Amino acid sequence: DILMTQSPSSLSASVGDRVTITCRASQTIDTYLHWYQQRSGEAPKLLIHGASSLQSGVPSRFSGSGSGTDFTLTISSLQSEDFASYYCQQSYSTPTFGQGTKLESK
Amino acid sequence: QLQLQESGPGLVKPSETLSLTCTVSGGSINSDHYYWAWIRQPPGKGLEWIGSIYHSGSTRFNPSLKSRLTMSVDTSKNQFSLKLSSVTATETAVFYCARSDYDSWTGSHKWNFNLWGRGTLVTVAS
Repeated sequence: DILMTQSPSSLSASVGDRVTITCRASQTIDTYLHWYQQRSGEAPKLLIHGASSLQSGVPSRFSGSGSGTDFTLTISSLQSEDFASYYCQQSYSTPTFGQGTKLESK
Repeated sequence: QLQLQESGPGLVKPSETLSLTCTVSGGSINSDHYYWAWIRQPPGKGLEWIGSIYHSGSTRFNPSLKSRLTMSVDTSKNQFSLKLSSVTATETAVFYCARSDYDSWTGSHKWNFNLWGRGTLVTVAS
């Protein structure tokens, strides 16, 4: 299995901040990488697919970049509704997820 | 719009078989463009893909669960189902059904889970 490692595991930030979460794959996965947001008590929601393509309906403050083994999710100006957990997932082979990053209010 | 809803027992005894059903509403499970998935999440932990099924019955399973896993589809009821045998207490989790894109022309899976049910908690305990 391809191991996905996210950093940091948790993060404190304020509304308006620029936030970056990183995800590293244990082997190259080209751009077969997706990002999800999971608010407390809810199902995950797809934000970014193919490393950098914004899913329909997702605000443009979310962006993704990277290829190969290293990827980032950026929130350009944090909003209150963005406090949640974020997961990366590779689709190069049997799907596997990162352990998650919990974004909390400072 | 298309919605997914999980259903099944909330409590299963250790060593028994966990059975869940996902009902697709607002659209057809018969689409050539999607695979239908099960994903689980232990309380406070991360996500694990269990397996996926096509309307034809073709399946793809997580190798770590394959020996205990059965998935089926009932197109007349617009439902797909999961059976996981010999469960243990460590497999207590919220189970989600989800949809991912599939290119039937090329046989290419995108494994982008772009629609999810709300999830159902299954506790494994005696």
